[in-house]
Amino acid sequence: DGGITQSPKYLFRKEGQNVTLSCEQNLNHDAMYWYRQDPGQGLRLIYYSQIVNDFQKGDIAEGYSVSREKKESFPLTVTSAQKNPTAFYLCASSTIAGGQGSDTQYFGPGTRLTVL
Amino acid sequence: AQKVTQAQTEISVVEKEDVTLDCVYETRDTTYYLFWYKQPPSGELVFLIRRNSFDEQNEISGRYSWNFQKSTSSFNFTITASQVVDSAVYFCALSDGWKLTFGTGTRLTIIP
Repeated sequence: DGGITQSPKYLFRKEGQNVTLSCEQNLNHDAMYWYRQDPGQGLRLIYYSQIVNDFQKGDIAEGYSVSREKKESFPLTVTSAQKNPTAFYLCASSTIAGGQGSDTQYFGPGTRLTVL
Repeated sequence: AQKVTQAQTEISVVEKEDVTLDCVYETRDTTYYLFWYKQPPSGELVFLIRRNSFDEQNEISGRYSWNFQKSTSSFNFTITASQVVDSAVYFCALSDGWKLTFGTGTRLTIIP
């Protein structure tokens, strides 16, 4: 089955700790994205990557870091510098064949992060 | 800057009623793409439709239909004969380069 997997589903972190959220896709998509969702809000883009070993900041990148060493994987690290990390994190992927903005993004099931 | 407005925060209807979810967008681009996603209680966003700015034809897919009007910058979504399984949060989104700008969503509750 092709799709996007995120792990873990629920994650608890103590203040001051870094945590890494996993995102893997087997859709052979070139582009991958990380979004953050807060209650009652839309999704906001944290980082995105169109190609291996390259990524760009989104609207709310402060306190987060990413890597793209493999096409199918795009892990997100929430660092201790992120002031309010409790949120629902969604990973997405898409082709880039259609050109800027035209390719549909498909989403994973999400990771709910809670800072204790 | 791009903006998407979903003014209806929550809607409740009785099963089998029709319901329309509104989406109004702002962009200065002449070429853009609009999307609708469904977020059931499980949390995953499910893609429903993509529409480009040059195609104003309405689209129907089963009980779902979409009305795109550039003149009013709207891309509304109608569910006909609603069912309990339609209960979810629905998001409208606008492409902004490589990212999507999302509205704040409309929570739809179908009452059995």
